[in-house]
Amino acid sequence: DGGITQSPKYLFRKEGQNVTLSCEQNLNHDAMYWYRQDPGQGLRLIYYSQIVNDFQKGDIAEGYSVSREKKESFPLTVTSAQKNPTAFYLCASSILTSGNTIYFGEGSWLTVV
Amino acid sequence: EDQVTQSPEALRLQEGESSSLNCSYTVSGLRGLFWYRQDPGKGPEFLFTLYSAGEEKEKERLKATLTKKESFLHITAPKPEDSATYLCAVQKGNTPLVFGKGTRLSVIA
Repeated sequence: DGGITQSPKYLFRKEGQNVTLSCEQNLNHDAMYWYRQDPGQGLRLIYYSQIVNDFQKGDIAEGYSVSREKKESFPLTVTSAQKNPTAFYLCASSILTSGNTIYFGEGSWLTVV
Repeated sequence: EDQVTQSPEALRLQEGESSSLNCSYTVSGLRGLFWYRQDPGKGPEFLFTLYSAGEEKEKERLKATLTKKESFLHITAPKPEDSATYLCAVQKGNTPLVFGKGTRLSVIA
């Protein structure tokens, strides 16, 4: 089936550790995105990528890093510099960034203790 | 600054009690307005895209409309399975979607 796969669904990490969330899509979409969702905050954009080997910061990029080495993959690393990393992370993709619907994965819950 | 405001934050309806959710926006050069449904612990599911004022789209009990300042999501005779958070998002130019905080809808049998 075509879609966006995020893994793991649930992740627990100790404070000070880096963690990488995986996002893979087989929709042949050009653009990929990472959003963060906190209760009552809506979705906030972390990073996005329109093409392989290129990406742009979103509104809350501090403490995060990404790579786009393949069209299908857009992993997100939550670094120890991120002050409040516990959240629900959503990966999405679209054909183009302009005027096209974005489709979401099922999300990853990250809890830092 | 571009803004998307959804109201109410939460809405509780009896089964069959029709109502509307509001999404107001301040974006110059709107490229599209999007509605999504999100169930707890899941990723948002796409519902509609509206591109110009006056446009309407329908899907089952849902109907979305768009003016130059706001969009409405009308829910006709809702059922308990319509309970979810409904998210509105706008796109300007070639930039990624900007989301509102959502409306949590509860439909009681």
